[in-house]
Amino acid sequence: GDSVTQMEGPVTLSEEAFLTINCTYTATGYPSLFWYVQYPGEGLQLLLKATKADDKGSNKGFEATYRKETTSFHLEKGSVQVSDSAVYFCALRTHSGSARQLTFGSGTQLTVLP
Amino acid sequence: GAVVSQHPSWVICKSGTSVKIECRSLDFQATTMFWYRQFPKQSLMLMATSNEGSKATYEQGVEKDKFLINHASLTLSTLTVTSAHPEDSSFYICSASYREGQPQHFGDGTRLSIL
Repeated sequence: GDSVTQMEGPVTLSEEAFLTINCTYTATGYPSLFWYVQYPGEGLQLLLKATKADDKGSNKGFEATYRKETTSFHLEKGSVQVSDSAVYFCALRTHSGSARQLTFGSGTQLTVLP
Repeated sequence: GAVVSQHPSWVICKSGTSVKIECRSLDFQATTMFWYRQFPKQSLMLMATSNEGSKATYEQGVEKDKFLINHASLTLSTLTVTSAHPEDSSFYICSASYREGQPQHFGDGTRLSIL
C-alpha cells in the first residue's frame, strides 16, 4: 500500500539556519505530494504541494521538489524563523480508488531557537 | 481561501458520556469529509470517510458503533463518540475538499479529554 516515510524529529535549529526535512514515499501510480504544517493546538494547514514529477512547490520561503527518480519530496527553507516552530507532515494522495484520501508521514517536530 | 470550522475546540467530560463534534465547511460545499485521530506526537490516522447523504466508510480497526458519523448536508458532518472512555481521549481533526483533485482543508481540531 501507499506509505510516507519522514525524517524523525525532533529537529532543533537556531534562527536563520538552513532547514531540510526528508520525505520519501511509496505509492502506486503517480501521486500528488503535499507538506502540511501544524502549529501547537491547531489543525493542519497546507504549506505547499506538487502534482507531477519535477514540480516545485513553494510557499512562505519553504520549497520542495517532486523527485520521481528518488521518490522523494524533501522540504527545505534557507533561513528559518522562530515562528516556523511547528510539526510538519509530508503526505501523498493517489489518483485511484478513494482519490481524495491522504496518507501522512509521522510528522517532524521543528523547534527554532532565537 | 476555503475554511473549515470545527466545534468544539476542547471538551472535557466524564467517562460514559457521548460527545458530538461538528465539522462545517463555511464557504464551500464539501461532498466528502474526512475524520482523523491524532495521538500525542504521532501522525494522523484516518478514521472514516464521510459522504453527504450516505453511510460513512470506516477504516479497518475503527468501530463504527463507537464513532458515529453523520453527513446530513454538503456543509456539515458530525462525529459522535459514544459512551466515551479515557482511551478515547485524543485530538480529532476533520477535513473537507470541495472538488475532485483539490487539496483537503482541515479544521483546527477538537481535543477530547475523558476523565
